[in-house]
Amino acid sequence: EDQVTQSPEALRLQEGESSSLNCSYTVSGLRGLFWYRQDPGKGPEFLFTLYSAGEEKEKERLKATLTKKESFLHITAPKPEDSATYLCAVGGFKTSYDKVIFGPGTSLSVIP
Amino acid sequence: DSGVTQTPKHLITATGQRVTLRCSPRSGDLSVYWYQQSLDQGLQFLIQYYNGEERAKGNILERFSAQQFPDLHSELNLSSLELGDSALYFCASSRGGITDTQYFGPGTRLTVL
Repeated sequence: EDQVTQSPEALRLQEGESSSLNCSYTVSGLRGLFWYRQDPGKGPEFLFTLYSAGEEKEKERLKATLTKKESFLHITAPKPEDSATYLCAVGGFKTSYDKVIFGPGTSLSVIP
Repeated sequence: DSGVTQTPKHLITATGQRVTLRCSPRSGDLSVYWYQQSLDQGLQFLIQYYNGEERAKGNILERFSAQQFPDLHSELNLSSLELGDSALYFCASSRGGITDTQYFGPGTRLTVL
């Protein structure tokens, strides 16, 4: 079954305490993996797209990496404004060329 | 501001009723996607349109339907509403297909009483 899981479900960090969020997927023939940030009651905000294993992308305190079965979102020295739910999604795969599946998200809280 | 607009922001209606949600994509974007987000289900892909044609279907119920018009705006029609249809409905748009960045609108919060 095509599936996306994320761990942990929730993460509480002290300001400046680096950590990583995990996104695992079981789809085959992946065309793209996406990371989004979502604040409560708002639409997801795009962060990164990764297309192939070994690819890495960075933006400010965030760095996303991709392997054949999972992706990591590394957060370096987080600040309280990084508190949000982080969603990963996979798009386009063997069983459905144009579908998107979102993971359940990781809720991140950064404490000052 | 993503450039994607959705109306209305809030909608309160009764079971059995029918509602229409509207989405205007970013200028230049040809694809429109509809998603449902509820507390227990997360973000669920419903349907995608590309330049007026249906491109992909996700977990969309038969009571729901969508279309994309020649000016590229899209409407999501929800009928015979049930309590469980209460959720946030998001529209997103992208330049082309599934590997292009999707930009999400602010959402429509639907409450079915």
